[in-house]
Amino acid sequence: GAVVSQHPSRVICKSGTSVKIECRSLDFQATTMFWYRQFPKKSLMLMATSNEGSKATYEQGVEKDKFLINHASLTLSTLTVTSAHPEDSSFYICSARKGDRSYFGPGTRLTVT
Amino acid sequence: TQLLEQSPQFLSIQEGENLTVYCNSSSVFSSLQWYRQEPGEGPVLLVTVVTGGEVKKLKRLTFQFGDARKDSSLHITAAQTGDTGLYLCAGASYNQGGKLIFGQGTELSVKP
Repeated sequence: GAVVSQHPSRVICKSGTSVKIECRSLDFQATTMFWYRQFPKKSLMLMATSNEGSKATYEQGVEKDKFLINHASLTLSTLTVTSAHPEDSSFYICSARKGDRSYFGPGTRLTVT
Repeated sequence: TQLLEQSPQFLSIQEGENLTVYCNSSSVFSSLQWYRQEPGEGPVLLVTVVTGGEVKKLKRLTFQFGDARKDSSLHITAAQTGDTGLYLCAGASYNQGGKLIFGQGTELSVKP
């Protein structure tokens, strides 16, 4: 199998602060990971493609300076939400690619107060 | 921009009824995947269809990929309350590095 974890599972932060979310592939190496955002009862919206050892590729409309992505190793990608605002509150999900399949993490619930 | 139109977005049925969820696009996909997601959790892969016209069955769930690889359907026979959840289709394209484009999702509620 292939397991992807996310940490933390839930986080509450104050407006203006930054918060980091980790995505780890536990039993395989992933050169490519993806970050998604999901609103309640809505679908997943791709934010960016995280590439190990190179810059992330952001989807149109996603601010790269606000959502910083670092893929420093073959098993870890991080998403940092900078200067968080209440509208950044959402469910953030990552996936890691193994072969021709993507494995999803359990998600991180971010609440900005 | 590739889009996947999923319908219906909400479906409430009685236990024992049948239902079909559709995903349509004007784009061709190399593969199409169906996921189920529970609240507060990540999506779980149900099936991947790759070949045009392909039909796959998973117990009471039947998945079909259109001949032109632009559309897909999920049919559930004799729905059970345990089928309740969010169903998502997602398409992968050639030379996109595994990037998935998701449909809007179908929120299914099966009532006893």
